[in-house]
Amino acid sequence: DIQMTQSPSSLSASVGDRVTITCRASQSISSYLNWYRQKPGKAPRLLIYAASSLQSGVPSRFSGSGSGTDFTLTISSLQPEDFATYYCQQSYSTLRTFGQGTKVEIK
Amino acid sequence: EVQLVESGGGLVQPGGSLRLSCAVSGFTFSSYAMTWVRQAPGKGLEWVSAISGSGGSTYYADSVKGRFTISRDNSKNTLYLQMNSLRAEDTAVYYCAKDRTYSSSSQTNWFDPWGQGTLVTVSS
Repeated sequence: DIQMTQSPSSLSASVGDRVTITCRASQSISSYLNWYRQKPGKAPRLLIYAASSLQSGVPSRFSGSGSGTDFTLTISSLQPEDFATYYCQQSYSTLRTFGQGTKVEIK
Repeated sequence: EVQLVESGGGLVQPGGSLRLSCAVSGFTFSSYAMTWVRQAPGKGLEWVSAISGSGGSTYYADSVKGRFTISRDNSKNTLYLQMNSLRAEDTAVYYCAKDRTYSSSSQTNWFDPWGQGTLVTVSS
């Protein structure tokens, strides 16, 4: 199976901060990488697909980049609703896998 | 509006069985692959299983292979997950999600939207 490793596992930030989360795959997955945000007690929501494409309805402060094994999710200006856990997920293999998550907390 | 509503969760003893359902509306169900993802309490997301639009292709995580069976009834717009030989480590919220394409093996698939989840607790 393809292992997905996110870093950091958690971070503290303030409203308005620029935040970057990294996801690394155990093998090349081209650009088959998706990002989700999960608020406490809620279902995940798709933010970015195919590494860098913004899902319809998602604010433009979210962006994604990368290919091969290294990917990043950037939030340009953190908003109160962005304090949540973020997951990357690969769709290169039929056996899909998620990263372990990155929890973004209020500083 | 696309909606996915899971049901069937509950408390079950180790070794027992449970069938989850996911009723969908707002899109042509048979045109899309579907996926189950679970989340143990306080833990991250774990992909469980996927099924193609016709139901002819299925995939499973190693952790559930041989114990869980995914299926669908396109006439009822409903996705199922039959869970047998349940273990304590299967305790989780189970989410169903819609794939982007018909094929469950497509690399250009992502999960959107998701249902609200149903809790399965395996305990004596």
